[in-house]
Amino acid sequence: DAKTTQPPSMDCAEGRAANLPCNHSTISGNEYVYWYRQIHSQGPQYIIHGLKNNETNEMASLIITEDRKSSTLILPHATLRDTAVYYCIAEMDSSYKLIFGSGTRLLVRP
Amino acid sequence: SQTIHQWPATLVQPVGSPLSLECTVEGTSNPNLYWYRQAAGRGLQLLFYSVGIGQISSEVPQNLSASRPQDRQFILSSKKLLLSDSGFYLCAWTSDRNYYGYTFGSGTRLTVV
Repeated sequence: DAKTTQPPSMDCAEGRAANLPCNHSTISGNEYVYWYRQIHSQGPQYIIHGLKNNETNEMASLIITEDRKSSTLILPHATLRDTAVYYCIAEMDSSYKLIFGSGTRLLVRP
Repeated sequence: SQTIHQWPATLVQPVGSPLSLECTVEGTSNPNLYWYRQAAGRGLQLLFYSVGIGQISSEVPQNLSASRPQDRQFILSSKKLLLSDSGFYLCAWTSDRNYYGYTFGSGTRLTVV
């Protein structure tokens, strides 16, 4: 599975959009990009995933660049409850394993 | 609906004692099952995964073992706990990750004293 690179920490103001970047320059054509988050002392929570196209669900939007070498998770209106560690993971379609990196610690400020 | 049960929520065990953590999944069949560990202040480390009954793959050689005696049951064990086994243990499952991703349990916080 391709290595992903994320900034160690970010912050944003409550009510504003949070844009979390992820670099996956060595991603292959059959690797999906997954985003999870972990709120303190809880298990990780699935947010969204995509292969080539941009995706949106009730939690967030995922923007994947045309060359697929990077992506951005967008939380459109961040709340204090969105404070968490966000993980970007590239996983091959044929893989059975989800390998976590160090993630981005997002702090949403009041 | 699909749910994952993991227990106990917290556990304090002395060094050298055995360990058994259980995870069960409801509402699906033939799931892939996973055990992760998170040491204090550290990231999530994949320990074991299973794609079927009796099929266990180990990611990190260590003091732990895993078993899958039934389709939706995954057990993490140790014969003798070490201080370094302390951490937050998470069970996870997936059946069609391209639609639903992976679902994690609420975890067991193990303290070895």
